[in-house]
Amino acid sequence: QSALTQPASVSGSPGQSITISCSKTSSDVGNFDVVSWFQQHPGQPPRLIIYEVSKRPSGVSDRFSGSKSGDTASLTISGLQTDDEADYYCCSYAGRLTFLFGGGTKVTVL
Amino acid sequence: QVQLVQSGPEVTKPGASVKVSCQTSGFTFTNYHLIWVRQAPGQGLTYMGWIRPSNGDANYLQKFQGRVSMTADTSTNTAYMEVRGLTSDDTAVYYCARLFGVLADTPRIDYWGQGTLVTVSS
Repeated sequence: QSALTQPASVSGSPGQSITISCSKTSSDVGNFDVVSWFQQHPGQPPRLIIYEVSKRPSGVSDRFSGSKSGDTASLTISGLQTDDEADYYCCSYAGRLTFLFGGGTKVTVL
Repeated sequence: QVQLVQSGPEVTKPGASVKVSCQTSGFTFTNYHLIWVRQAPGQGLTYMGWIRPSNGDANYLQKFQGRVSMTADTSTNTAYMEVRGLTSDDTAVYYCARLFGVLADTPRIDYWGQGTLVTVSS
């Protein structure tokens, strides 16, 4: 059982907004202040889309946004597009250059 | 541009060892830490450990200690990861990746290699 819990799947129609949660369920996660999100299409490596809870790397669409409240981080995808269909992983820095990943969420565009 | 290019797929037998390479370019190899992450078929991401190419320091997640070695060759800007005593549970895609922001204590994994599939089968 992962120390970071994500829903197995989330779906939405094109144009809608969806939110993926990532809940800290173990103290092994650390202070949960350095949270990243990755998008992974089938057969591809993960791609960084959010870091430090809510920052976007250069080149990432502003349709992706991150937030955190207490022990739950969230990724929101607005204006859902077919290319957003992928797996999404949250990741928390647990100190001493150790990282923990959530179990992943499969996003389906209906 | 930053690139991490990994070696090709491997098929190996239980009990054997495998060594995966990660050739980097587009950044100063010795200024960054690199990590390794694996992904079993249809499963999520598992962090394995890190290496600091500038001095060769490495650290591994406890479940991999004693069976995994991470090294780096600064003359070729290439990182390596060796896994020994392979079992079918080690069948996975292995990724190398770069860490950014270590000194600020807010590290993030910003660039990934394309992955190397290691298949362990008798």
